[in-house]
Amino acid sequence: AQKVTQAQTEISVVEKEDVTLDCVYETRDTTYYLFWYKQPPSGELVFLIRRNSFDEQNEISGRYSWNFQKSTSSFNFTITASQVVDSAVYFCAPLKGFQKLVFGTGTRLLVSP
Amino acid sequence: DGGITQSPKYLFRKEGQNVTLSCEQNLNHDAMYWYRQDPGQGLRLIYYSQIVNDFQKGDIAEGYSVSREKKESFPLTVTSAQKNPTAFYLCASLTNEGTEAFFGQGTRLTVV
Repeated sequence: AQKVTQAQTEISVVEKEDVTLDCVYETRDTTYYLFWYKQPPSGELVFLIRRNSFDEQNEISGRYSWNFQKSTSSFNFTITASQVVDSAVYFCAPLKGFQKLVFGTGTRLLVSP
Repeated sequence: DGGITQSPKYLFRKEGQNVTLSCEQNLNHDAMYWYRQDPGQGLRLIYYSQIVNDFQKGDIAEGYSVSREKKESFPLTVTSAQKNPTAFYLCASLTNEGTEAFFGQGTRLTVV
């Protein structure tokens, strides 16, 4: 069974600060996908990124970057120079094939001006 | 445009009544999911379906029922057996390659 731990319940930062959201997962599968989703106040989840378990190359996309380490089962997400519009709840999730998609408990990010 | 549609956005019901939440997708996705979210909480999986006419219980299936008679539709019924039905309900579908989940806008159910 898959399990996801997002230990940070809530993070508060001031605009322009960098912030990293942690995600640790458990899975017995050797190949899988990892996802990050954002949930703004409107409620709908927005896809941010997907990584393959066999691709540990970290990636930067604009203000977003990801640090995937299979050896420690961690898939952390960093926002550089945070903005007020980044305020949302962020969810991490592993997925193998078409099995059930289980999300972590989420991290609420509050960015103040 | 392709996507997932949940209706209604807000729903009010009296205690003891069954209520059905609609979820429709025109993305041709095989797999669909239902989640429940309580205030300040994460997403908990209720039921999921990987193919038409088949579905599996998630982590909190008690008090809920689903059907999957058509690929496009995955309705969720909240029965009177559900002790605390007031919550935000999200429906999702997964691409057939398993590469991304698409979500509806959610239904906020309030039972009074």
